Amino acid sequence: EAGVTQFPSHSVIEKGQTVTLRCDPISGHDNLYWYRRVMGKEIKFLLHFVKESKQDESGMPNNRFLAERTGGTYSTLKVQPAELEDSGVYFCASSRQGGNQPQHFGDGTRLSIL
Amino acid sequence: QKEVEQDPGPLSVPEGAIVSLNCTYSNSAFQYFMWYRQYSRKGPELLMYTYSSGNKEDGRFTAQVDKSSKYISLFIRDSQPSDSATYLCAMSRRSGGGADGLTFGKGTHLIIQP
Repeated sequence: EAGVTQFPSHSVIEKGQTVTLRCDPISGHDNLYWYRRVMGKEIKFLLHFVKESKQDESGMPNNRFLAERTGGTYSTLKVQPAELEDSGVYFCASSRQGGNQPQHFGDGTRLSIL
Repeated sequence: QKEVEQDPGPLSVPEGAIVSLNCTYSNSAFQYFMWYRQYSRKGPELLMYTYSSGNKEDGRFTAQVDKSSKYISLFIRDSQPSDSATYLCAMSRRSGGGADGLTFGKGTHLIIQP
């Protein structure tokens, strides 16, 4: 089966611009997660969707970040307006419903804010 | 105090050696424990997934969880140069649809010398 796919792999934008990241989870995975790794720090949880509903968005840093998952399939993460501290690698992960279901990660989007 | 502590390394060992990687954590609510392997410019790849305390073996890899000491380990037997990567420990309180996001260690950079 195809893995978690993220697009683009790398994005370079200027401070104040808008960027949208996309994640396609593994087919049949109702759970979708966004994470971020800032340079020198550990990977941090941002939010969790179950199908199209936001289950937990406690890790979202501020209201410049907006995540959507219309139709319960792919998800987008928009940053508007981007700030320098938003630079990092954004990972998406997905898992099946039910207990004992591990999360499978995509290769991430490397975001650079100039 | 960070929730999960992991020595970032680098840890350099000769080919064929047994590698021991470990993490400590502070939140006694964690019940699900994972080890991910990450190659440069790629996403975390799930290696081992365990629930609660005990051992789990898969080929050359053995994961151990000691909840009483809040300590988890990953052992790699007969290490190969292809095992050179960053190894991330991760943990969560719940799994499945009610899952929370994973809490990661910073990762240990492992180098296997041919």
